[in-house]
Amino acid sequence: DGGITQSPKYLFRKEGQNVTLSCEQNLNHDAMYWYRQDPGQGLRLIYYSQIVNDFQKGDIAEGYSVSREKKESFPLTVTSAQKNPTAFYLCASNPQGRSEKLFFGSGTQLSVL
Amino acid sequence: AQSVTQPDIHITVSEGASLELRCNYSYGATPYLFWYVQSPGQGLQLLLKYFSGDTLVQGIKGFEAEFKRSQSSFNLRKPSVHWSDAAEYFCAVGAPSSSNTGKLIFGQGTTLQVKP
Repeated sequence: DGGITQSPKYLFRKEGQNVTLSCEQNLNHDAMYWYRQDPGQGLRLIYYSQIVNDFQKGDIAEGYSVSREKKESFPLTVTSAQKNPTAFYLCASNPQGRSEKLFFGSGTQLSVL
Repeated sequence: AQSVTQPDIHITVSEGASLELRCNYSYGATPYLFWYVQSPGQGLQLLLKYFSGDTLVQGIKGFEAEFKRSQSSFNLRKPSVHWSDAAEYFCAVGAPSSSNTGKLIFGQGTTLQVKP
């Protein structure tokens, strides 16, 4: 079955450490997104990519980095510059320009040790 | 600026009672409108969507929503709530396909608690 796989389900970060969250999709979607979810704040867009080797900052990109070397993969790195990384991170994808066909992964919970 | 507001952060209803979750949006044109549901620790599942045409749309799990252009609202309703409906609900807006961007803007979410 086609879908989006996020790993790991739970991740812990130490002070000063960079961590990378994985997102893989086999839906042949062009666009991929990373959202951050905090209680009471809904989903906020971190980065998105509409095509391989290209990506744009979302509303809260500071302290994060991404790459899009393959169509099916869009990893998110939470750098040490992100001072409040504890949150639930959701990856999503859709065919380019098709907001009505957005699919979500099951998320990664990142916590700070 | 484009935005989505869900005025109710937390709602509690009794099982079998009716439900209405409110959503208001600010957008330059008529956007695509969505309601998603999220169980704890999970991703988002699409309940229903509105693009154009009939302003009352039906979704999965017995939910419906009504688009009111004059009020910039897209409220979610269910006539009789089941205990399994307890979850977090998100309203979202997206640009029509012609705009070539598939991003969605989400509201803050409403947590639904169902009393037995």
